[in-house]
Amino acid sequence: QSVLIQPPSASGTPGQRVTMSCSGSSSNIGSYTVNWYQQLPGTAPKLLIYSDNQRPSGVPDRFSGSKSGTSASLAISGLQSEDEAEYYCAAWDDSLNGWVFGGGTKLTVL
Amino acid sequence: EVQLVESGGGLVQPGGSLRLSCAASGFTFSSYWMHWVRQAPGKGLVWVSRINVDGSSINYADSVKGRFTMSRDNAKNTLYLQMNSLRVEDTAVYYCVRDRYRFDSWGQGTLVIVSS
Repeated sequence: QSVLIQPPSASGTPGQRVTMSCSGSSSNIGSYTVNWYQQLPGTAPKLLIYSDNQRPSGVPDRFSGSKSGTSASLAISGLQSEDEAEYYCAAWDDSLNGWVFGGGTKLTVL
Repeated sequence: EVQLVESGGGLVQPGGSLRLSCAASGFTFSSYWMHWVRQAPGKGLVWVSRINVDGSSINYADSVKGRFTMSRDNAKNTLYLQMNSLRVEDTAVYYCVRDRYRFDSWGQGTLVIVSS
C-alpha cells in the first residue's frame, strides 16, 4: 500500500480533458510540494510537473498540476494517444524521512 | 546532455550481494544530491535512498536500512549502491536519479533479480 493514494486507472477519448488525483497527509503533501512523473511503457519515468504546478521545459502546457491541502491533481487537456502512460505523484514525507510515491494511475486513451 | 547510466544488475541468490553503479555525465555531478529509486516488475515506483553532494548525509527507506549502502565518488562521477542480504522482494529495476528538489533526470535502469 503506497503512502500517497492514486486511483489505479483513468481513461478518456482524444481531445478530452482528464484529471487524476493524489491523496496524502499532513506529513507529505500537506507540508511539501508535489511532483508528477510520466512513465511511458518500457521506459524510465520522466518529470512532468514539479513544485505542485510547474512544467519543465519541453512539457506541453496541456499538462497542469494543482494542490489543495493534502491532495494534489494532475490534469491533461486535449488528450492525445501518446499520453497513454502511467502517472505517479511524489512528495517528501517528514514522518518517514524519505520520498514517497503514489501507486500510479494508468491512463488509457480510448 | 545529462546522462545517467546504471550497471551491475543481474541474477543473484537470496542472501547474496550485488553492487550497482551509475556513471554520470553532462553535468557537475558533485553539485547534486542523488537517489536510487526501484520498481518491481509490474509495480510502482519506490524510493530507496539518497545521498548529499559530498556523501556525508545518506538516508534509506526502512525496507533496505541496514542491508544497502549508498555512496559516491565525485572524482569518478559515479554513484554506487551496495546491496547485501538480498531478498526476493528486492527484485526490481533500479534507477539512478538526479535531484534538483525533484527527480529531474533518470537513468535507464538496471534489473536486479533475486531468485534461487
